Amino acid sequence: QKEVEQDPGPLSVPEGAIVSLNCTYSNSAFQYFMWYRQYSRKGPELLMYTYSSGNKEDGRFTAQVDKSSKYISLFIRDSQPSDSATYLCAMIHGGSNYKLTFGKGTLLTVNP
Amino acid sequence: DTEVTQTPKHLVMGMTNKKSLKCEQHMGHRAMYWYKQKAKKPPELMFVYSYEKLSINESVPSRFSPECPNSSLLNLHLHALQPEDSALYLCASSQDNGVVNTEAFFGQGTRLTVV
Repeated sequence: QKEVEQDPGPLSVPEGAIVSLNCTYSNSAFQYFMWYRQYSRKGPELLMYTYSSGNKEDGRFTAQVDKSSKYISLFIRDSQPSDSATYLCAMIHGGSNYKLTFGKGTLLTVNP
Repeated sequence: DTEVTQTPKHLVMGMTNKKSLKCEQHMGHRAMYWYKQKAKKPPELMFVYSYEKLSINESVPSRFSPECPNSSLLNLHLHALQPEDSALYLCASSQDNGVVNTEAFFGQGTRLTVV
């Protein structure tokens, strides 16, 4: 079993839809959780990071962490064609200062 | 300025060539990273520098040689690469204050093709 599982998609939605992206993990040592957005042929861009279980909101984006279920989510409200990208979840062990463990990434297309 | 700048953006090199990738940041970050990303795969960590000292080497072949000349610059020297080394090479940086570094900023990458 991989440490971090993420459905690679592809996921295609109409403009204005609510998008739900998810990752599960197996190692309870993961303490910090991040979502990156990566446009084609570009570097990953940090969208959000969370530590505690619960929700964190930033504009149209909401990150959700459920440590008891080892499950994290990213919700995008009012999705736009400019949101079309690959979304990567990433995690760090509490004991490791540097090493990000990434999910495979989900390719999202928002159709106008 | 939250930018990590990588040069060149694209590089084609032969298997006998020597080339270098460069990365620069002016955010005062003291941790700098090299990642390798193959198509449709997540980034894979190669090296981490902390305060200009090599902290992590993820068992990377010696044909890849990192260098951190100062706190703002990170280089990756390439020699005798193989075609399977073709990938997007990403540089990243983060604060390094002894606490978990959650906010790693990535550059746009160098797309390397080995012929």
